[in-house]
Amino acid sequence: ETGVTQTPRHLVMGMTNKKSLKCEQHLGHNAMYWYKQSAKKPLELMFVYSLEERVENNSVPSRFSPECPNSSHLFLHLHTLQPEDSALYLCASSQDISRGAYEQYFGPGTRLTVT
Amino acid sequence: KQEVTQIPAALSVPEGENLVLNCSFTDSAIYNLQWFRQDPGKGLTSLLLIQSSQREQTSGRLNASLDKSSGRSTLYIAASQPGDSATYLCAVSPASQSGTYKYIFGTGTRLKVLA
Repeated sequence: ETGVTQTPRHLVMGMTNKKSLKCEQHLGHNAMYWYKQSAKKPLELMFVYSLEERVENNSVPSRFSPECPNSSHLFLHLHTLQPEDSALYLCASSQDISRGAYEQYFGPGTRLTVT
Repeated sequence: KQEVTQIPAALSVPEGENLVLNCSFTDSAIYNLQWFRQDPGKGLTSLLLIQSSQREQTSGRLNASLDKSSGRSTLYIAASQPGDSATYLCAVSPASQSGTYKYIFGTGTRLKVLA
């Protein structure tokens, strides 16, 4: 596997379910990101981790819970979601978050539908 | 607050045409600007990155220019091909000492090149 991978690629869940999205990067990077892409809206940065430490939480509701157990893996735990949370969730990684080293590489995304 | 606008939202052209995609941003204090391509339901692929001190970058048939003082960038695609059909996104990173990794994205231009 190369680059940034995400699983599952598609997920349908009810509002009372609990599920997790997984992201893995094979680039040796130290920073990982979660973005949300809703229809006709710009990508929204949700969370940023640098060396497994969360450095950004962009006012995301607590029903989204990130986890970064090591610099290669990033999870997004979901529970009690709302239909408006349906979107494409994109993971990205970069060498780190310092100036000049943050060109981001994106995974293919998980298409989430909340029913 | 930085806002990024891309016009037009959608564009349809016959194969072989040269075309220009526009990106404008409201705050000229940027560190760099990046153009991405997104195929339907997929992640983002980086096309060109322009540092704030640069005026343009070229890669193959693509040329991106940056006029930071006027808050504008253009992506020029020469001799367009059906395989260029995708959504093109631009993103700017702020010039602040911390947080240059916080890309702010436009909503994209959806391009269709007709064979």
